[in-house]
Amino acid sequence: DTAVSQTPKYLVTQMGNDKSIKCEQNLGHDTMYWYKQDSKKFLKIMFSYNNKELIINETVPNRFSPKSPDKAHLNLHINSLELGDSAVYFCASSQGTGVYEQYFGPGTRLTVT
Amino acid sequence: GDSVTQMEGPVTLSEEAFLTINCTYTATGYPSLFWYVQYPGEGLQLLLKATKADDKGSNKGFEATYRKETTSFHLEKGSVQVSDSAVYFCALRHAGNMLTFGGGTRLMVKP
Repeated sequence: DTAVSQTPKYLVTQMGNDKSIKCEQNLGHDTMYWYKQDSKKFLKIMFSYNNKELIINETVPNRFSPKSPDKAHLNLHINSLELGDSAVYFCASSQGTGVYEQYFGPGTRLTVT
Repeated sequence: GDSVTQMEGPVTLSEEAFLTINCTYTATGYPSLFWYVQYPGEGLQLLLKATKADDKGSNKGFEATYRKETTSFHLEKGSVQVSDSAVYFCALRHAGNMLTFGGGTRLMVKP
């Protein structure tokens, strides 16, 4: 009964490729997020979606494009991968954009070679 | 902008030792404050939270008190166990339910 799941868990790819990471939540939440955790463990918000609409887009290169086909899914597509994109990407969800707890997925470790 | 500063790790303790991980923040208004824990190979889990000044969050023997006057939210535990070994993140929440995290503090507890 995984609440927030991500696939794949590990992703190794070469520079210049395009890849996607998928996220699904079965909590019935309206809001989903993507976070990036770098090699020094710094964790930063990238995007936030509410009811399939983008509400937060931090200073992320436009090579990153989130897509939300429905409220339960928020996928992250990355074009023209660069070495600096290597990180662990976490998906999270919450009941709404108000004062609600965020539930995190297990993370996807992306390694760009 | 809002920011969170945590003490750098790693923090290495023997089992049953007392733990303090310092956290201070800079924010406009009165954000909610959180501690998250990340066990090896896993995602973040909410450990405890406090939503207003002088609130004390507690869970699994961990405690933290929201101190507005010192803009701090230090994490404490009276007696750590090996199973507490993890990375601990202090965070604040502001508009749009956005979380801003500190840099994380790795705790290693030795038997």
